[in-house]
Amino acid sequence: ILNVEQSPQSLHVQEGDSTNFTCSFPSSNFYALHWYRWETAKSPEALFVMTLNGDEKKKGRISATLNTKEGYSYLYIKGSQPEDSATYLCAFRNTDKLIFGTGTRLQVFP
Amino acid sequence: NAGVMQNPRHLVRRRGQEARLRCSPMKGHSHVYWYRQLPEEGLKFMVYLQKENIIDESGMPKERFSAEFPKEGPSILRIQQVVRGDSAAYFCASSPVRGGPDSYNEQFFGPGTRLTVL
Repeated sequence: ILNVEQSPQSLHVQEGDSTNFTCSFPSSNFYALHWYRWETAKSPEALFVMTLNGDEKKKGRISATLNTKEGYSYLYIKGSQPEDSATYLCAFRNTDKLIFGTGTRLQVFP
Repeated sequence: NAGVMQNPRHLVRRRGQEARLRCSPMKGHSHVYWYRQLPEEGLKFMVYLQKENIIDESGMPKERFSAEFPKEGPSILRIQQVVRGDSAAYFCASSPVRGGPDSYNEQFFGPGTRLTVL
């Protein structure tokens, strides 16, 4: 059974704080690692897709890194804002389907 | 360019009835994936379809569930004789190509259909 673990489960930070989450996944037969941002009652929004060991991606204040040898990815948010409040999902792909973690729920207080 | 569309957004059924969930992929996408989120759980893969073909149905329950993606029209996830345990949010995603190793193939998600079985 392929398992994707995310930590922490939830996080509460003050506006302006920087934060990071972890996603761990099987290191064998790796195709890609996806990050999504998911607000309640909306569609999961694709943030990053990473395929190569050492990949780093950045979109505004959000960035992500990938280590396929040890099976982990970090997502960083610099200077968190209230609008960053959402659940952040990572998903591991080794065929056609995505295997999701249960997410990290971020709450940013003004 | 409209995103992935799902309808209905909310569906209420009584036990024993049929539920039909529709998914229209993004324009130009011929690959559709269905995922389910049971209460207090994460998103779980159900089935992957290309036009007129089921490619991977390893996540589909063996009975009462079926999926299709016809040449014309939306993809349909059909649940016959629904039971309370089918209550969940059902999400559809689409992609333009099939993702292989080292592929940046993104899956774009719809807003989901929330099924409630009374």
